[in-house]
Amino acid sequence: EPEVTQTPSHQVTQMGQEVILRCVPISNHLYFYWYRQILGQKVEFLVSFYNNEISEKSEIFDDQFSVERPDGSNFTLKIRSTKLEDSAMYFCASSEWFSNQPQHFGDGTRLSIL
Amino acid sequence: GESVGLHLPTLSVQEGDNSIINCAYSNSASDYFIWYKQESGKGPQFIIDIRSNMDKRQGQRVTVLLNKTVKHLSLQIAATQPGDSAVYFCAVNSKGNKLVFGAGTILRVKS
Repeated sequence: EPEVTQTPSHQVTQMGQEVILRCVPISNHLYFYWYRQILGQKVEFLVSFYNNEISEKSEIFDDQFSVERPDGSNFTLKIRSTKLEDSAMYFCASSEWFSNQPQHFGDGTRLSIL
Repeated sequence: GESVGLHLPTLSVQEGDNSIINCAYSNSASDYFIWYKQESGKGPQFIIDIRSNMDKRQGQRVTVLLNKTVKHLSLQIAATQPGDSAVYFCAVNSKGNKLVFGAGTILRVKS
């Protein structure tokens, strides 16, 4: 069964450093998403992306965050200057279509900021 | 804004019994609802979804019930197995197709 894959599984970074989280969505999916989950808390929406543009973003997704689809298969989340509070699990998801379609999630990248 | 909440944070059931996990949502305009299962160290795994034009949908051993009048959603798991032990999240769609997740219910299956 096709799946969303994320790398790395765990990223440890010094505060203030840039980090790039990588995702390969399911191949025939057109919509891509990033969510995060702080330990013990809810899964929170960050951003949705379609046709090389951001469709929607949350208040968490400030100027320090950016997303990109650098080629036909990868989807990345960049955090320019990491803060301690960025420590969380980051999940990538994709869906085949936009409305009322299940979003399929990867297994996440655990980001630890020191 | 929207909020999604769960009534019970932890549910313990005996193997073979049926499980019912509940969820309340606040936005009456929500028209799409999903249940996810999350095992330790894994991402949310899609279980079943339901659209607002339905009040019941069945899958393999799972049933989702939607009561739009009281804005309530439930997941029923028949003949619960040890492999069903996980955290279960309901999620509802919102603007921009973002999903708003509930807090999660821990399901523990006792053998």
